[in-house]
Amino acid sequence: EAQVTQNPRYLITVTGKKLTVTCSQNMNHEYMSWYRQDPGLGLRQIYYSMNVEVTDKGDVPEGYKVSRKEKRNFPLILESPSPNQTSLYFCASSLTRTSGRAFGETQYFGPGTRLLVL
Amino acid sequence: QKEVEQDPGPLSVPEGAIVSLNCTYSNSAFQYFMWYRQYSRKGPELLMYTYSSGNKEDGRFTAQVDKSSKYISLFIRDSQPSDSATYLCAMRHSGAGSYQLTFGKGTKLSVIP
Repeated sequence: EAQVTQNPRYLITVTGKKLTVTCSQNMNHEYMSWYRQDPGLGLRQIYYSMNVEVTDKGDVPEGYKVSRKEKRNFPLILESPSPNQTSLYFCASSLTRTSGRAFGETQYFGPGTRLLVL
Repeated sequence: QKEVEQDPGPLSVPEGAIVSLNCTYSNSAFQYFMWYRQYSRKGPELLMYTYSSGNKEDGRFTAQVDKSSKYISLFIRDSQPSDSATYLCAMRHSGAGSYQLTFGKGTKLSVIP
């Protein structure tokens, strides 16, 4: 079954304590991305990756780091979380033009990670 | 002016009604338009994907793009309670490096049995 998995699904932490949210996809997609979703603000892109070792900033990258060492995994790292990073986070993956499909035509989202930073 | 505007609703309709959901946008470079459905406590799932202007139909769903007016619509015919969800529009421009999607804030739809 094609899927994007995220772990953990729920996380409560304290300010300043480093955390990592993992994301994995089993569809051999080149493109992966992280979004946060906040009431009244909608979905906003944090970082995206076009392929292994290729990452770029989205609209709201401050306070986040990512890495893409393997095609299937794209972890999101919060080095020093703050309360304003309390949010619902989604990972997504997609084929790109290199696979003969238009980008976004096959985008799959993970189930979400709800993060509370105290 | 925000790049993509979408009325958050909530929108409540009786079962069987035709639903019209809309987004307006300001960036004339947007060429690809998508509609996502998001159930409560779930990730968004892609419903419709269209390129440039025109209509696209898939079962009870029809997506329309009017680039001259910078306006896109999603119509749901014979709406069902299972259509109750938040609907997000998204769009992107074409060309190299255009791998960012801009989302609307979503419209919450309730279909009442």
